[in-house]
Amino acid sequence: SQQGEEDPQALSIQEGENATMNCSYKTSINNLQWYRQNSGRGLVHLILIRSNEREKHSGRLRVTLDTSKKSSSLLITASRAADTASYFCATDDGSGNTPLVFGKGTRLSVIA
Amino acid sequence: GAGVSQSPSNKVTEKGKDVELRCDPISGHTALYWYRQSLGQGLEFLIYFQGNSAPDKSGLPSDRFSAERTGGSVSTLTIQRTQQEDSAVYLCASSLVGGHTIYFGEGSWLTVV
Repeated sequence: SQQGEEDPQALSIQEGENATMNCSYKTSINNLQWYRQNSGRGLVHLILIRSNEREKHSGRLRVTLDTSKKSSSLLITASRAADTASYFCATDDGSGNTPLVFGKGTRLSVIA
Repeated sequence: GAGVSQSPSNKVTEKGKDVELRCDPISGHTALYWYRQSLGQGLEFLIYFQGNSAPDKSGLPSDRFSAERTGGSVSTLTIQRTQQEDSAVYLCASSLVGGHTIYFGEGSWLTVV
């Protein structure tokens, strides 16, 4: 099955700095998605990037995708204390027959 | 409804008892997922329903776990003879079709004492 693996496992930065999280996966994908989770509750979708896209922006978020390296990165610019959360990537093979499988996530702490 | 609804929000049960967790997906969503998350850990896939297809049960950790989805809408996750290691947040999510953006409920916190 598809699986995203994020690194680092934990990241601590000062407010205003940029945060970069990485995701690697194993097989061909149709799209890759990033989600955010606050305090162990439901995840919230952040951004989706398709396999034929290389970069995508949404506000302070920038996602890149390198299908040749089977990797993606999520960049949060000018971080804020409110960005403190866990971030997960998930991949989809496009068949509709396999579930989104999530990695263990990156726990981001933004210190004011 | 407006979002994915899960109940109960919190459940404390005695070891050996059975529990049922309910998920009401977003209306019209054909795909429904159950995940489990232990404290400070990642999401563990449990089971996936997609339309009328046979569910993907490959993530269920033991035969004490089962799930059904009645009428293509509401789903119930049942854990029989609960053990302490079953303590976790059980997250349900739905999507319009498989592979699209999925929307999560707030989860059901299960504590087995």
